[in-house]
Order: sequence, then C-alpha cells, then structure tokens
Amino acid sequence: QSVLTQPPSVSAAPGQKVTISCSGSSSNIGNNYVSWYQQLPGTVPKLLIYENNERPSGIPDRFSGSKSGTSATLGITGLQTGDEADYYCGTWDSSLSAVVFGGGTKLTVL
Amino acid sequence: EVQLLESGGGLVQPGGSLRLSCAASGFTFSTYAMSWVRQAPGKGLEWVSGISASGVSTYYADSVKGRFTISRDNSKDTLYLQMNSLRAEDTAAYYCAKQMAAITYPFDCWGQGTPVTVSS
Repeated sequence: QSVLTQPPSVSAAPGQKVTISCSGSSSNIGNNYVSWYQQLPGTVPKLLIYENNERPSGIPDRFSGSKSGTSATLGITGLQTGDEADYYCGTWDSSLSAVVFGGGTKLTVL
Repeated sequence: EVQLLESGGGLVQPGGSLRLSCAASGFTFSTYAMSWVRQAPGKGLEWVSGISASGVSTYYADSVKGRFTISRDNSKDTLYLQMNSLRAEDTAAYYCAKQMAAITYPFDCWGQGTPVTVSS
C-alpha cells in the first residue's frame, strides 16, 4: 500500500478540466513540498509540478498544483488526448526519512 | 543536456546479486542528491534508495534495507546500487533519478531505466 493515496483513475472529455487528489499525513504532505509526475505510456516519468505549485520550464500552464493541510491536488485544464497518462504525486516523509509516492492515477480523456 | 544512463540490469536467480550503475553527464554531478526508483511491470513508482550529494548520507526504503547499498563516485560522475539477496518482488525497471538539490527535493531528470528480473 502506498503512503500517499490517489484515486486509481479519472476521466473527462477533451477540453474539460480534471483534478487528481493526493492524500497523506503530517509527516509527509503536511510538512513538505509536493511534486507531481506525468508518465506517458511507454515513457519515463517527467516532473510536472514541484514545490506544490511550481512548473518546470516547458510545462504548460494548463497544469497546476495546490496543497491544503495533508492533501494536494493536480489540476489539468483544456484536456487533450495527449494528456492520457499515469500521474503520480510524491514528497519527502520526515518520519520515514524516505521519498514516498502515491499509487498513481490513470487519466483517460474520453 | 542532462543525461543519465543506467546499466547492469539483467536476469538473476533468487538470492543472487546485481550491481547497477548510472553514468551522469551534462550537470555538476557532485552537487546533487541522487536516487534509484523502481517500477514493477504494470505497477506504480517505488522509491528504492537515495544518497546525498557528498555521498555521506544514504537512505533506503524499508523493502530493501539491509539488502541494497547505494553509493556514488563523484570523480567518475557515477551512481551505483548494489543489490544482494534478490527476491522475485525486486523484479522491476530501475530508474536513476537526479534530484533538484538535496535528498528531499523532487526528481527533475530520469534515466531510461534498466530491467531487473529475479527468477529461477
């Protein structure tokens, strides 16, 4: 079982908006920055969001992140078929002294 | 361009050992923490182990503690993972990943991965 909890799957139509949640605890999300990764089919993970809501260069502003307490959310607007991928949240867990990931959420753009 | 190139994966019997390597280029290797992250077939990401920029501090997931050893050679810009007492559940693609700064920071660059299969 993953330390961080994500929904296994989400779906939405092209052009719509979707959110993916990530739930943790005070030892991880509650006291550390959250990052999000996108893994397109057959590819390696790519950093999408860091420090809760910052985007690396080259990541479009359709992708956004937020954090409140021990939960974080990834938002994607203007959905495209090319956004179909697995999305993972991650953070540092201060109690475990370890990086922890969510179980991943598969996004389907209908 | 930042590049990470893993090698050393393969087929090994349960109880056996493997040593993974990750050759880094395109950045000042000795400045950044590094980690190994694995992904079993059809499964999610699992962080395995991390090491500070200097190599002084190392960190392990409970699932590999006591069996795996992470190390780095900053003179060779190379990260290693010594894996002993391998089990079937260690079967996965192993990615080398660069952290944005220290061990608590996210991964901004990933290698292509090297496959490890533990089977008799």
